[in-house]
Amino acid sequence: GAVVSQHPSRVICKSGTSVKIECRSLDFQATTMFWYRQFPKQSLMLMATSNEGSKATYEQGVEKDKFLINHASLTLSTLTVTSAHPEDSSFYICSATLAGAMLTGYTFGSGTRLTVV
Amino acid sequence: AQKVTQAQTEISVVEKEDVTLDCVYETRDTTYYLFWYKQPPSGELVFLIRRNSFDEQNEISGRYSWNFQKSTSSFNFTITASQVVDSAVYFCALRSMGGTSYGKLTFGQGTILTVHP
Repeated sequence: GAVVSQHPSRVICKSGTSVKIECRSLDFQATTMFWYRQFPKQSLMLMATSNEGSKATYEQGVEKDKFLINHASLTLSTLTVTSAHPEDSSFYICSATLAGAMLTGYTFGSGTRLTVV
Repeated sequence: AQKVTQAQTEISVVEKEDVTLDCVYETRDTTYYLFWYKQPPSGELVFLIRRNSFDEQNEISGRYSWNFQKSTSSFNFTITASQVVDSAVYFCALRSMGGTSYGKLTFGQGTILTVHP
């Protein structure tokens, strides 16, 4: 079945530094990837939708200059948290889907737990 | 706008009890998909079921069953003879098929299920 690999699973970084999270579709071409953020004991909130080869579409309230999303290939999307601060500490999870499979399935990565100290 | 409500924040049961997790949704779309996901402590999202808006047949998969009632906009999930391994957070989600929200998943707040031995 479809597999999405997300790395790293955990990262601790210092305030002010940038962190890159990768989301790879291993056995299918993901034309669309979604990035979510989840605070402890809360739901998943969609941050942005990324389509291969085009700019990401950000949800209202999400700073696009802070959360840089790149979807340069059909198998890789990256989320870079720039100048991270403690309030950016959260669980980030990606999901990927294939055009035409939008009517069926999404596959989620295993998530990245970011801690900014 | 889409909305998914899981009114039960936390449920605690003893092993072998049956438990029902409620999900109520709002959408203006005539075509949509509903999902249930399980999120164990490790964080990854485990897909449980997908149901499209035109299929109101209830479904049973082992100890899991789902009741889709379009008239009340509900998609409830029942675990029969619960087990400790069922302890997790369960999310109900709605996929929009229309307009600018096409393809996006809207998650409910999640229900924390704890099954005690």
